[in-house]
Amino acid sequence: NAGVTQTPKFQVLKTGQSMTLQCAQDMNHEYMSWYRQDPGMGLRLIHYSVGAGITDQGEVPNGYNVSRSTTEDFPLRLLSAAPSQTSVYFCASSRTSGTTDTQYFGPGTRLTVL
Amino acid sequence: AQKVTQAQTEISVVEKEDVTLDCVYETRDTTYYLFWYKQPPSGELVFLIRRNSFDEQNEISGRYSWNFQKSTSSFNFTITASQVVDSAVYFCALSEAYEYGNKLVFGAGTILRVKS
Repeated sequence: NAGVTQTPKFQVLKTGQSMTLQCAQDMNHEYMSWYRQDPGMGLRLIHYSVGAGITDQGEVPNGYNVSRSTTEDFPLRLLSAAPSQTSVYFCASSRTSGTTDTQYFGPGTRLTVL
Repeated sequence: AQKVTQAQTEISVVEKEDVTLDCVYETRDTTYYLFWYKQPPSGELVFLIRRNSFDEQNEISGRYSWNFQKSTSSFNFTITASQVVDSAVYFCALSEAYEYGNKLVFGAGTILRVKS
């Protein structure tokens, strides 16, 4: 049981490039989400999904797209990278979308946009 | 909006000392859930504990213990006989309903440095 996995662990992009951050979980969790962690800003919700085929925007969705074609996978796409997207990105999953359930985080992806 | 405050930015202790990390929260919900996460130098976020608002019993897990006091809106975390491996950033968080899902509202974190 690997839990939540994320790839890559580190990535450097140039402004304007696009890329996809991968996230997968093997716990059959219904709810998945993406956060970004920035100094002084804490963790902020980017997008979330309550199940396969259903996604919605979080607090800071601009510049990012998501899809959820399977229960296991929830990739995050950066459409045209900007220096403001330099951050550490965490994927999380929980059994349901309820506030009662514990969210388990992946190891994170450290992204630098030059 | 809900808020979590961790007033201690950084704490340094010597190994084997006990240390308490403070967490104060604000919420209008009558039922809510609180969490502690650990972020070691390697960067991942590790879940430590979940506590619901209607269970005020203190919890102990090995060297870790948590004191939840609804009257003061606090959920403090104590490490007994600290070890160098406890060095990390510790986050307190509150779960909040968000649109069709939920999100965690994190405190700013407390950096704990344990020196040998």
